[in-house]
Order: sequence, then structure tokens, then C-alpha cells
Amino acid sequence: GAGVSQSPSNKVTEKGKDVELRCDPISGHTALYWYRQSLGQGLEFLIYFQGNSAPDKSGLPSDRFSAERTGGSVSTLTIQRTQQEDSAVYLCASSSWTSGGTDTQYFGPGTRLTVL
Amino acid sequence: LAKTTQPISMDSYEGQEVNITCSHNNIATNDYITWYQQFPSQGPRFIIQGYKTKVTNEVASLFIPADRKSSTLSLPRVSLSDTAVYYCLVEGDTDKLIFGTGTRLQVFP
Repeated sequence: GAGVSQSPSNKVTEKGKDVELRCDPISGHTALYWYRQSLGQGLEFLIYFQGNSAPDKSGLPSDRFSAERTGGSVSTLTIQRTQQEDSAVYLCASSSWTSGGTDTQYFGPGTRLTVL
Repeated sequence: LAKTTQPISMDSYEGQEVNITCSHNNIATNDYITWYQQFPSQGPRFIIQGYKTKVTNEVASLFIPADRKSSTLSLPRVSLSDTAVYYCLVEGDTDKLIFGTGTRLQVFP
């Protein structure tokens, strides 16, 4: 019965370093989303996984960003050569999406990334 | 995906009813209207979803006119704990949700 979990909750890194952010979705949820939220801003869609389909990467801001979802469950968002503008809260959400347009997403608490 | 427009901010006082209206002129036949609530330092939380007319749950009501080009989230008798950002989204078979900047509701004592 656990919700979506994310780790770490906070990450401070130096410019140029790589970081990995982890998301554990709700068990059984086939859809998984990554969003980014800068301070005081709305959510920015990054990437979407649905079952075994190819992920929708249309929101990734640059090729420094990538994500994987192993075994249809846990997902890792990787940011290479981090830049200061990457500083934000990275949110993960999952849903038990079914056709019909009633996809309710459940969000994790987010990972606050600070790039010095 | 249908784009939504909602006020940037609203102020209210405890005990009042708050109505937040969202415009979605290009809503598609298959789209549903969903509202999320986000507290500081937390991820958004689902509040309510509807397709047409009126939907009510223990938290809020959602009013959708016949043309579905707008919707109104109604929060009865707000309290200080309702201070949050409220997002209106439309979603359908395209699955991917696009969050706007939302409406920042501030409730005063």
C-alpha cells in the first residue's frame, strides 16, 4: 500500500557531475512520469513510460537527460554534466493508466536537486 | 493537447467558498478535466475529475458547462490548510499531462 517513493530526497552536486535520481512507483502501475519543477513554477513534463512501449522523451530538455525503467517498475533519471539551471525539484508520478482518459497520477515527494 | 488558462492567484478568507475557473477552449471529445492540488515541498495530489455537468466528492465540486470549454473548481468553506496551488488539466488518450502554472490560492484567517 505504499505510495510513490523517490530517492534521494535532496541532492547537492557540483557543476559538471552526473546525478541519478530514483523513483519507485506504486506496485502494479504501468505508467510512470518524470516532471521538473523550478522554484515557484509549474510542472515541466520530462519523460513518460507506459508498459513496454517506447518512452515518450519529448520533454527532455537536452541530451544530458536520460531515463530508464527497468522491469516495468523502478525508474532512474540521469542527468549528465549537471548545470546550475538543472537545479529544481524532480517529481515522479505513476498511474494505472487505462484507455478512456481517466489517468489519475500519484506523485512522489520529489528530489530537490541543487547544482553548485 | 488542450491548453488550459486559469488565474495566477486568488485570495480568500477562512469559511468562504472559493471558485477557481479554468478555460480549455480546445478540449477534445475524449478529454477529461482533472484538478490537482499542490502544497509547498510536496508533489501534486489529485482532487477531482469530471467529464460533464457536476461532480462532487468530499473535498470539492467540479462544475462543467455543456460546451465543456471551461470548468470551475469549487472549494466550500476553505480553511488555512487549503492554501496551495491548484492545477487544472485536460487529459485523454494522449496520456501525457501538461501542467500549467496553476492558481495560487492564499487563505487568510
